Amino acid sequence: DAGVIQSPRHEVTEMGQEVTLRCKPISGHNSLFWYRQTMMRGLELLIYFNNNVPIDDSGMPEDRFSAKMPNASFSTLKIQPSEPRDSAVYFCASRKAGGLNEQFFGPGTRLTVL
Amino acid sequence: GENVEQHPSTLSVQEGDSAVIKCTYSDSASNYFPWYKQELGKRPQLIIDIRSNVGEKKDQRIAVTLNKTAKHFSLHITETQPEDSAVYFCAATLYGNNRLAFGKGNQVVVIP
Repeated sequence: DAGVIQSPRHEVTEMGQEVTLRCKPISGHNSLFWYRQTMMRGLELLIYFNNNVPIDDSGMPEDRFSAKMPNASFSTLKIQPSEPRDSAVYFCASRKAGGLNEQFFGPGTRLTVL
Repeated sequence: GENVEQHPSTLSVQEGDSAVIKCTYSDSASNYFPWYKQELGKRPQLIIDIRSNVGEKKDQRIAVTLNKTAKHFSLHITETQPEDSAVYFCAATLYGNNRLAFGKGNQVVVIP
């Protein structure tokens, strides 16, 4: 298995632009998580899906952030419009059914908003 | 919500010595406690985990102990090696809840 796949790996954009981050979970995993990591705030959960349905989006910082999971093999996290304070590493993780199973992280997308 | 704290924030050890990182959690219903290792520029990766019905688990040089009464769990690394240098994150989940709450991480530096 290729593991969790994220794209792009690096993104540099200007303030005000739309940013779309993509994630392909491990096949057979039915839970998907989006995290944001910064030095100041550590690893924060933004939103997670079970069976393609958003369960908890309380970590989404503002209405500028949105996430979708149209099918079991694809999810997007969109920021529109982007701001410099959105600069961070965004990780996607997936897991098999059940809360006691390992979450597998993707390689992350390093986002820089100028 | 769950609050997970890690101590110390940074730990330096001589190669060959042991390292211990402690994590506390707030919710007594938490039942799963993983530890993740993150090397610089890489993704977090699970190194060991423990469930609430077990007090200790060991895997070669690493071990995790859980004290449910005191609501803390610890990571033990013995015979440390330079490749153990990384940031280590603890996490806890709620019974019946799918999400993990992560600590802020501990920077471990192994001095050759």
